[in-house]
Amino acid sequence: GAGVSQSPSNKVTEKGKDVELRCDPISGHTALYWYRQRLGQGLEFLIYFQGNSAPDKSGLPSDRFSAERTGESVSTLTIQRTQQEDSAVYLCASSPSGGPHNEQFFGPGTRLTVL
Amino acid sequence: AQSVTQLGSHVSVSEGALVLLRCNYSSSVPPYLFWYVQYPNQGLQLLLKYTSAATLVKGINGFEAEFKKSETSFHLTKPSAHMSDAAEYFCAVTPFNDYKLSFGAGTTVTVRA
Repeated sequence: GAGVSQSPSNKVTEKGKDVELRCDPISGHTALYWYRQRLGQGLEFLIYFQGNSAPDKSGLPSDRFSAERTGESVSTLTIQRTQQEDSAVYLCASSPSGGPHNEQFFGPGTRLTVL
Repeated sequence: AQSVTQLGSHVSVSEGALVLLRCNYSSSVPPYLFWYVQYPNQGLQLLLKYTSAATLVKGINGFEAEFKKSETSFHLTKPSAHMSDAAEYFCAVTPFNDYKLSFGAGTTVTVRA
């Protein structure tokens, strides 16, 4: 079946511009996660959505970052006024429900480069 | 809080040799532990996970890992490396009552013919 998809696969932008990254989770998965992977580092948790509950935004690095999710489907991560330190691979994952016992299925990521 | 340390950012092994990737964690509560693999140009894929059942966990592609509480370790091994094992490997931890994964920095494995 179809896995998690993300678009675009690559995004190059100029400092100060806004960008939107999209994630399509696996159909039926109620939990959705965003992570950031900087060069040479592990993944950093950004935000978590579970069903209709309020999202866990504790990992968002600044108020320039925001994310939305429409029901239990598509999610968009928005970065406003991008900075060079925002350059990273942004990964989305989904799982059948929340909780550590559920495997997270990852998308291929969006590579963001801020010039 | 929990964290993960992967010893060695790069590991090079000969085809047929043992693969050993080291992972140590810190967690204030009983952890769930994971190993993920990322092949070139692909998303992360779960290799195996420890969720407080058997301490020796077998995963896909011949990999296994052993949870050692006394050493706070969860090292990944494969007896005989194959060329297709060349990839980046990530160890991750989450408390048993949480969902946020904390990842190590990753170990890149290259396999020599």
